[in-house]
Amino acid sequence: DQQVKQNSPSLSVQEGRISILNCDYTNSMFDYFLWYKKYPAEGPTFLISISSIKDKNEDGRFTVFLNKSAKHLSLHIVPSQPGDSAVYFCAASPNPNFGNEKLTFGTGTRLTIIP
Amino acid sequence: GAGVSQSPRYKVAKRGQDVALRCDPISGHVSLFWYQQALGQGPEFLTYFQNEAQLDKSGLPSDRFFAERPEGSVSTLKIQRTQQEDSAVYLCASSLDFREAGNTIYFGEGSWLTVV
Repeated sequence: DQQVKQNSPSLSVQEGRISILNCDYTNSMFDYFLWYKKYPAEGPTFLISISSIKDKNEDGRFTVFLNKSAKHLSLHIVPSQPGDSAVYFCAASPNPNFGNEKLTFGTGTRLTIIP
Repeated sequence: GAGVSQSPRYKVAKRGQDVALRCDPISGHVSLFWYQQALGQGPEFLTYFQNEAQLDKSGLPSDRFFAERPEGSVSTLKIQRTQQEDSAVYLCASSLDFREAGNTIYFGEGSWLTVV
């Protein structure tokens, strides 16, 4: 039972354009959401997070949107750069007080930025 | 070191062999996690420590898997009598204190285990 779903295994975007990565979840107990970026042969690197009390969080070129009623979140990268080419994982945590305990990850989306 | 350090980076084990994977968390980090990532999948939670206490081991797939963190710093994940389905990347992660919402979890580069 996949509680966090990333339905697009891959995405290609032209350099300079907007990249939009999507994530859906089924567990209504999830309250804290994170995006991680992973290069080959490296561990995941934290990108940005959002708690359920917000619907948007922005950090530089990265913005995460949360739609609780739809159980959907998305990561926007604008403008996209070649160094953004990586696998992006969506992750969720159930406990509002303990933001990072037992993260449940999606299967990842491989983003390729075309120069 | 500045980041989470894991060793060995790569391990090939014969089926039935025992393996031990080591994790050095970031200095001062209270929380330590182990995750397993199979090919083409996202990381899956195995176990969690706060200092030396193992607070959650619900993700360990069988009693062949054992983790410890005796002094609240370095942790070892041990897999006994390895099976082919144990082949995966084992990721260690640490955080200042998981009880602080918003604390970032930092991952190591992983130990790649192949059981032949």
